[in-house]
Amino acid sequence: DVKVTQSSRYLVKRTGEKVFLECVQDMDHENMFWYRQDPGLGLRLIYFSYDVKMKEKGDIPEGYSVSREKKERFSLILESASTNQTSMYLCATEQDLNTEAFFGQGTRLTVV
Amino acid sequence: EDQVTQSPEALRLQEGESSSLNCSYTVSGLRGLFWYRQDPGKGPEFLFTLYSAGEEKEKERLKATLTKKESFLHITAPKPEDSATYLCAVHSSNDYKLSFGAGTTVTVRA
Repeated sequence: DVKVTQSSRYLVKRTGEKVFLECVQDMDHENMFWYRQDPGLGLRLIYFSYDVKMKEKGDIPEGYSVSREKKERFSLILESASTNQTSMYLCATEQDLNTEAFFGQGTRLTVV
Repeated sequence: EDQVTQSPEALRLQEGESSSLNCSYTVSGLRGLFWYRQDPGKGPEFLFTLYSAGEEKEKERLKATLTKKESFLHITAPKPEDSATYLCAVHSSNDYKLSFGAGTTVTVRA
């Protein structure tokens, strides 16, 4: 079974802090994604990576950056956390485009 | 831009009361339509992929169908453990990402 592990289930950070969310997968998948999920808005794509050191902006990249130095690890960085970044963050992987995505358990981030 | 609309937003069912969830989509060339189940506080879990109109897939009490404009998730004789949020998503031929609907939250009472 594919395992996608996010480093934290819950995080509380202060406004202005730099925040790192880590995601590790164990199935050698090429594609990795970061989404945020908010009530009534569904999942929105922040960033996508299709290879090591490659990244593409999603629908809502402002205020975020990503890093993929190794194939199995995809990190989401909040450069200066703000209260409007309080959300559930979900990491996902895909073997190829148009195959099913496998999600991590999510990180609920609260920025105070 | 790809659009995915799910209805209803919430559905309350009595155990054994069958019903259907709707997912309407607008894409420029459908590569695949996906259904996921999400339990509170957890990540979505894959259920089905449908690729072409007329296709159907089943898993236990769930059956997904696809037309050119929408997909239905039928829940037959639901049980309380079927309570969850069901998400629909599409891959279009000119985009690398999944576009998600907002989901339908199903509550099944014993």
